[in-house]
Amino acid sequence: QQQVKQSPQSLIVQKGGISIINCAYENTAFDYFPWYQQFPGKGPALLIAIRPDVSEKKEGRFTISFNKSAKQFSLHIMDSQPGDSATYFCAATPPWGSARQLTFGSGTQLTVLP
Amino acid sequence: NAGVTQTPKFQVLKTGQSMTLQCAQDMNHEYMSWYRQDPGMGLRLIHYSVGAGITDQGEVPNGYNVSRSTTEDFPLRLLSAAPSQTSVYFCASSLQGAAGNTIYFGEGSWLTVV
Repeated sequence: QQQVKQSPQSLIVQKGGISIINCAYENTAFDYFPWYQQFPGKGPALLIAIRPDVSEKKEGRFTISFNKSAKQFSLHIMDSQPGDSATYFCAATPPWGSARQLTFGSGTQLTVLP
Repeated sequence: NAGVTQTPKFQVLKTGQSMTLQCAQDMNHEYMSWYRQDPGMGLRLIHYSVGAGITDQGEVPNGYNVSRSTTEDFPLRLLSAAPSQTSVYFCASSLQGAAGNTIYFGEGSWLTVV
């Protein structure tokens, strides 16, 4: 079963536009929500992450919005650039145990047109 | 500082053959894991380890074995390769502890089973 649902599957945005990727989760025990960026031929790399005790986190042009009651979180990329073209994965992890078991969304392929 | 190193980068196997994907990290991370990435399915956890001598199954462990004899190395063994194991495999590592420790991924191993 997919515990983290991600949409859209693909996204095309003009340079300078806003890219928005959405994720919804089912497990209320999740307490850490990272976003990963993956370029072709490379492994995923942590982009930004949020804990559920805040509703928003911003790092440069990247912002995570978090809605705990709706069990949804989203990534906003402001002033999108061609260099942002990549696949983006949302993820979630529970707090228990000592293992870091990430549950990933299915990914969004973002294309930013010049 | 190499981070997480995976070998080989590309491999073609015949059905029924066995092989080992190597993973090494030089960051003294306790936690290591293996994911497979398939189109439209994100990354799914195969096996993970919280320290030398300790391993456990993830979401999709069937057909794979792991061992952790040292902190640095975490090889993934395919016992009898099947076409369904055609995928991109990522090794990852992180420090133990509370959520918030960055998980570092290798650059991936592309495996084709014919």
